[in-house]
Amino acid sequence: GAVVSQHPSRVICKSGTSVKIECRSLDFQATTMFWYRQFPKQSLMLMATSNEGSKATYEQGVEKDKFLINHASLTLSTLTVTSAHPEDSSFYICSAVPGRSYGYTFGSGTRLTVV
Amino acid sequence: GESVGLHLPTLSVQEGDNSIINCAYSNSASDYFIWYKQESGKGPQFIIDIRSNMDKRQGQRVTVLLNKTVKHLSLQIAATQPGDSAVYFCAESRGNTPLVFGKGTRLSVIA
Repeated sequence: GAVVSQHPSRVICKSGTSVKIECRSLDFQATTMFWYRQFPKQSLMLMATSNEGSKATYEQGVEKDKFLINHASLTLSTLTVTSAHPEDSSFYICSAVPGRSYGYTFGSGTRLTVV
Repeated sequence: GESVGLHLPTLSVQEGDNSIINCAYSNSASDYFIWYKQESGKGPQFIIDIRSNMDKRQGQRVTVLLNKTVKHLSLQIAATQPGDSAVYFCAESRGNTPLVFGKGTRLSVIA
């Protein structure tokens, strides 16, 4: 149980275009999901906290107008990288907490390459 | 600022030996700690967790030790296997706040 599905796993896009990444909780409802970014050989850095039915909370230094987060249902959060640039190339990972218990389940990640 | 960090960025061990990966944390309010394994191109995989009211927890071939006095966390892997080769991250949180990850240690198992 407690599976988080992330799609796509890999995407290559042209500079200036937008890319949408989906994060779904398959067997539980997630009122909160977290989006992380990971550059090569670095750790996971929290970008934002996605809240169902309300605005996302962004970490300092993360542009909310560039990284649009929508959490329209209890099982789906999306991250849209708008007007992507090569420096946005990274590994994006979502996470959710099943229920009230401790425990964080991660998606398999999305490798974004902007050319 | 408060952070979670690691003492050793890389670790090479012989197959069959035990591995110990260390982590230091500075947020004394953290009450939950997790070790993750991450293979290349994949998301973090849960290994083992521990709450602050415990100082040791064992799983299958893995043991996590928590020393709150010196704010230190370690992951012990018994009889390390080639499949254990990966990057290992410690992470901490307080309540259900977002996890804060350490820098990671790359474990290389020598056959």
